[in-house]
Amino acid sequence: AQKITQTQPGMFVQEKEAVTLDCTYDTSDQSYGLFWYKQPSSGEMIFLIYQGSYDEQNATEGRYSLNFQKARKSANLVISASQLGDSAMYFCAMREGRGYSTLTFGKGTMLLVSP
Amino acid sequence: GAVVSQHPSRVICKSGTSVKIECRSLDFQATTMFWYRQFPKQSLMLMATSNEGSKATYEQGVEKDKFLINHASLTLSTLTVTSAHPEDSSFYICSAPSISSGAGELFFGEGSRLTVL
Repeated sequence: AQKITQTQPGMFVQEKEAVTLDCTYDTSDQSYGLFWYKQPSSGEMIFLIYQGSYDEQNATEGRYSLNFQKARKSANLVISASQLGDSAMYFCAMREGRGYSTLTFGKGTMLLVSP
Repeated sequence: GAVVSQHPSRVICKSGTSVKIECRSLDFQATTMFWYRQFPKQSLMLMATSNEGSKATYEQGVEKDKFLINHASLTLSTLTVTSAHPEDSSFYICSAPSISSGAGELFFGEGSRLTVL
């Protein structure tokens, strides 16, 4: 079974509108972390936001917020007030357990922001 | 934030030659670095975990004799693609965790796009 599932291959949004990118995960660990990264066409991976499994509040970072629903095992990314520069590939990722191990990535969602 | 630098960003080589990619942590020490490969329009797939001072750990299906990893210092890991073939053409990207980061996120290099002719 896939550990990280992103069901939206592509999403379109108009500038200044909000958009939600879906992510569900699968783990039997009690301690885990969920991450979202942005990958523009240049290829670099830009860290956006993090949610720990024990965090009771949803994480927020500027225009990014993470809608964490633990019982449903979902960690959707919400981007408010979309900008043209938000057009990129977005990856949801998970680290299982504690420590500084690697991340498992989903297949990604391509977001296109139109004027 | 922590900075990871990767070089070269693009490389084109002939089939049968070897290519070395460097990954450096510029402002922190990294005892562990991760090497990923990304084919066009696909996700990042972990190839191997590079450990300073010891052998790398390879993921299932990744040939350790083809993808040589050396982690000689706390700030440098190298990936050498030996006897490269066109099917090795891909985007290779390294990353490292920084213990100074509260979230423990991975910091990524800029990536290296390899084209084997």
